[in-house]
Amino acid sequence: KNEVEQSPQNLTAQEGEFITINCSYSVGISALHWLQQHPGGGIVSLFMLSSGKKKHGRLIATINIQEKHSSLHITASHPRDSAVYICAVIPRRGSQGNLIFGKGTKLSVKP
Amino acid sequence: DTEVTQTPKHLVMGMTNKKSLKCEQHMGHRAMYWYKQKAKKPPELMFVYSYEKLSINESVPSRFSPECPNSSLLNLHLHALQPEDSALYLCASRYRGLTLRDTEAFFGQGTRLTVV
Repeated sequence: KNEVEQSPQNLTAQEGEFITINCSYSVGISALHWLQQHPGGGIVSLFMLSSGKKKHGRLIATINIQEKHSSLHITASHPRDSAVYICAVIPRRGSQGNLIFGKGTKLSVKP
Repeated sequence: DTEVTQTPKHLVMGMTNKKSLKCEQHMGHRAMYWYKQKAKKPPELMFVYSYEKLSINESVPSRFSPECPNSSLLNLHLHALQPEDSALYLCASRYRGLTLRDTEAFFGQGTRLTVV
């Protein structure tokens, strides 16, 4: 079993829809990243959070440390939001702060 | 400056060639990482440098040779690669204080490597 699980694996939405991507993890963490990767491109960090909720524009990320669960929400989705969204955790134990990645959620937003 | 810059963006090399990938950041980050990413897969850790010293080598074949000549620069030297080494190579960096636990990772745009 992967230490970081994301759902769904693939998601197709119509422009304007509200989107939720979920992430569950099984290790103790000190923080969690939501990352965005466009096809063939590098990775952009959208959020890093260790508790509560963060908002940036149309993006909202929440985390429940007790339940080991995080969600990424996109309001009023747009075709330019089409990308792979990756959840990655920073384990509390272990050195060097390496990230453990989920397998990603591929989002396609249709006009 | 909150960028991690990787060069080149694309590289095609033969199996007998020697080439290098470069990663640069000027954010004062003292932890730097090389990842390899195959299509439709998450990144896989290759190497970690902490204060310019190699601290993790994830059993990477010796045809990949990392180097950290100073606190801003990370290189990955490539020699005698195989076609299965074709992938996106990503560099990342983080601030390295007493703990790395709460510091955000910054990623470069990657180098798309094709071995022919």
